[in-house]
Amino acid sequence: DAGITQSPRYKITETGRQVTLMCHQTWSHSYMFWYRQDLGHGLRLIYYSAAADITDKGEVPDGYVVSRSKTENFPLTLESATRSQTSVYFCASSESKGVGNIQYFGAGTRLSVL
Amino acid sequence: QKEVEQDPGPLSVPEGAIVSLNCTYSNSAFQYFMWYRQYSRKGPELLMYTYSSGNKEDGRFTAQVDKSSKYISLFIRDSQPSDSATYLCAIKVTGNQFYFGTGTSLTVIP
Repeated sequence: DAGITQSPRYKITETGRQVTLMCHQTWSHSYMFWYRQDLGHGLRLIYYSAAADITDKGEVPDGYVVSRSKTENFPLTLESATRSQTSVYFCASSESKGVGNIQYFGAGTRLSVL
Repeated sequence: QKEVEQDPGPLSVPEGAIVSLNCTYSNSAFQYFMWYRQYSRKGPELLMYTYSSGNKEDGRFTAQVDKSSKYISLFIRDSQPSDSATYLCAIKVTGNQFYFGTGTSLTVIP
């Protein structure tokens, strides 16, 4: 299906384990983003990428690693999961041009760290 | 101070009511303003975006920007139960970075 897809939709893991959340988009958008959404904080940017092999930190990058070897994929890795990383994670993408550079979001991954 | 502030609600209104959702922002240099709608357990979807001060209409929805007051609003006319969702304001900072409000939860009661 066209669009932006995230997997898995739900994940339960234990503290200290490595977890990778996947994001795939079919629009060939240049920009991709990872956000986490927590009650009282709204959406906070973790990392973003302007193009393949170009990534940069957002507001809350600690404990996360990203890579972007292909334009369409932007995986997010929690190297050693902590309970504070329990959250809903959203991936988004946008074109590099256009009014407002509108971001389009995936359906999210709900992660619980026990 | 947060870059964008949004009243979290929750807001509960009867069907057919006019709904007003609001955000304030801190930096007068911000130029692009957006409203996203997020249904439960779904990702945010773009509802409206606007660049300049004034009003922009799309069906039952009107986005309003007052740059002098650094205030943005979303009005929903003739609200429907299907409008029940969380509404997020978003402001483009620079390049492709956005600040999002914390969201206002709206319930429209049939």
